[in-house]
Order: sequence, then structure tokens, then C-alpha cells
Amino acid sequence: QQQVKQSPQSLIVQKGGISIINCAYENTAFDYFPWYQQFPGKGPALLIAIRPDVSEKKEGRFTISFNKSAKQFSLHIMDSQPGDSATYFCAATTQGGSEKLVFGKGTKLTVNP
Amino acid sequence: NAGVMQNPRHLVRRRGQEARLRCSPMKGHSHVYWYRQLPEEGLKFMVYLQKENIIDESGMPKERFSAEFPKEGPSILRIQQVVRGDSAAYFCASSPGGGRLPNEQFFGPGTRLTVL
Repeated sequence: QQQVKQSPQSLIVQKGGISIINCAYENTAFDYFPWYQQFPGKGPALLIAIRPDVSEKKEGRFTISFNKSAKQFSLHIMDSQPGDSATYFCAATTQGGSEKLVFGKGTKLTVNP
Repeated sequence: NAGVMQNPRHLVRRRGQEARLRCSPMKGHSHVYWYRQLPEEGLKFMVYLQKENIIDESGMPKERFSAEFPKEGPSILRIQQVVRGDSAAYFCASSPGGGRLPNEQFFGPGTRLTVL
């Protein structure tokens, strides 16, 4: 049972373009949705996160859009750069419990120069 | 301000041996999580510990796997009698706890276990 579905599995974007990664969840108890960035051989690093009381959160070139009724959220990377090439994971959890993260399967982003 | 530390970074074991993975949380963090990442897969939760207590082990295989977080020292994930299917990257994350929300988790660099 996959509680967080992530797409696409891989994404190739030209430098300066917009990268969009989508996630959908099933468990309505989830109330915290972080995105992690992982480079090869490294651990995941927290990129940006959102709670369902807002529909959008922006930090620099990274924006999360959140649609509570559709149980979907997405990551937009504006002006994508080759240094953004990494694997991105969406995740979800319920705050106040064990807060274990449920991860999507990841999107491998390649930004061509 | 050191981040989450894990060692060893790479571990090779033969089938039937034991693997011990260590995790030192960030300074001031009292919560530790272990996740496993199989090739081309996302991370899967295994266990959540606070000092001297296992809080949630719903993701731990029923046999051969155990975890601890003693009062002193790092958290240890122990895999007995390893099999080839245990080959994966094991990540530890820590969070401050204390009721602060969001209780962000910070990940270590991982231990890559290879079972021959």
C-alpha cells in the first residue's frame, strides 16, 4: 500500500526552465508535507515544507502548491539550474504522533546546461 | 555544529554475519528515526526511538532486526544473520522533539550495507 504517490519518476529540464513534481496522498490524517533533495551518495536534505492550512509556500526558486480537497501537492522549481540535478522526494506525516515520514518513490531531476 | 553522524559509511558483510549501524543525532536532539532505502526506491520508515525507549517499531521486520538508543552513546541498528535482501542504504534522522511543531527531521549521510 503506497500512501504517497509521486510522479514523474524522472524529469529532464533545460537550464532556466520550470521543473514540476507532483505527489498525491491517501491518508487524510497527514498534516505536514516536506520535500527532500538527495544528491548521489548523500542523505536527504530538507528543502521546503508545507502544512495544509496554506495553499502555497515559496522559498526562493522553490514553491510548494497544495490542494487539500484533491489530496495533492507539487513542487515547482523555477529557473532550474544544473546544480538542481538530484533526486527529489515528497513526504507526508502526522504531527504529534510518532511523526514517521511516509515518502514517495522519488523523482530524478536532470537539468541540462 | 555537527549534523547527524552515521558510521560506518560503507559496510560489507557476508551472509549470516551481523551488521551494526551507528547514529549520533544532532546536538540537542532527543528523537531518532531509522529509514531504509532500497535501490531506486524511496525511504521506508523502520523505527522511532527516544532515549532508552522504542516509540514506534511498526516498520521493523519481525526477525533479525533490532534498535536501541541508550542513555549514553549513539543509536544502534542491529541486523543479525544478514541476507542479500538486507543490502540497502540505511539512514538515520534526528529531530529535537519537545513538542515543537513542525518537528523537522534531519538526515545523516547513511550507511550503505552490502551483503555478499
